[in-house]
Amino acid sequence: SQQGEEDPQALSIQEGENATMNCSYKTSINNLQWYRQNSGRGLVHLILIRSNEREKHSGRLRVTLDTSKKSSSLLITASRAADTASYFCATGRRGSNYKLTFGKGTLLTVNP
Amino acid sequence: SAVISQKPSRDICQRGTSLTIQCQVDSQVTMMFWYRQQPGQSLTLIATANQGSEATYESGFVIDKFPISRPNLTFSTLTVSNMSPEDSSIYLCSVEDDTGRETQYFGPGTRLLVL
Repeated sequence: SQQGEEDPQALSIQEGENATMNCSYKTSINNLQWYRQNSGRGLVHLILIRSNEREKHSGRLRVTLDTSKKSSSLLITASRAADTASYFCATGRRGSNYKLTFGKGTLLTVNP
Repeated sequence: SAVISQKPSRDICQRGTSLTIQCQVDSQVTMMFWYRQQPGQSLTLIATANQGSEATYESGFVIDKFPISRPNLTFSTLTVSNMSPEDSSIYLCSVEDDTGRETQYFGPGTRLLVL
């Protein structure tokens, strides 16, 4: 079953605006990651936040993690048309085999 | 980061046939993963493939339907057997970052349509 649930499922904004996407998960995790997928292509890793971290930045990306609420958010500031893509959160959990479990994704459209 | 290529990039197949998808990595990696992404959906892990051992399949996926080979540290294949239209999906391979960063690098995917 899917671990993560993103909301909104789709988001449409104007260039220059900020975009916020949320992710919730169900079980304990070691880390949470965000990936981007352009139009059915391969996924590109954006950022990883560990379970003992609360916030992380990378360029125009800001990720927060609240393990008490089992939720994370991805903020993209000053969006560009090139940011148009699907964004997925994925939770990583150590066990007999380390693997990622992906959420359903948010389709972001940035209008020029 | 690893660079991953997949062949074919897309294919249209008839039901009942099989398709083998190849995944090539530009460096040696321990773990490789195969995912399925059905239209408009998220990624679902099919199996984990380690070199020199049998692939580990996730619940709902079986070796007879999705046989996997991992002959060396840079290559793997996934076969989709006895295909039906429900197998129409994007199939992606990925590798784990061996530097311990716990991230994965993905291939461009194989877009499969079964008629």
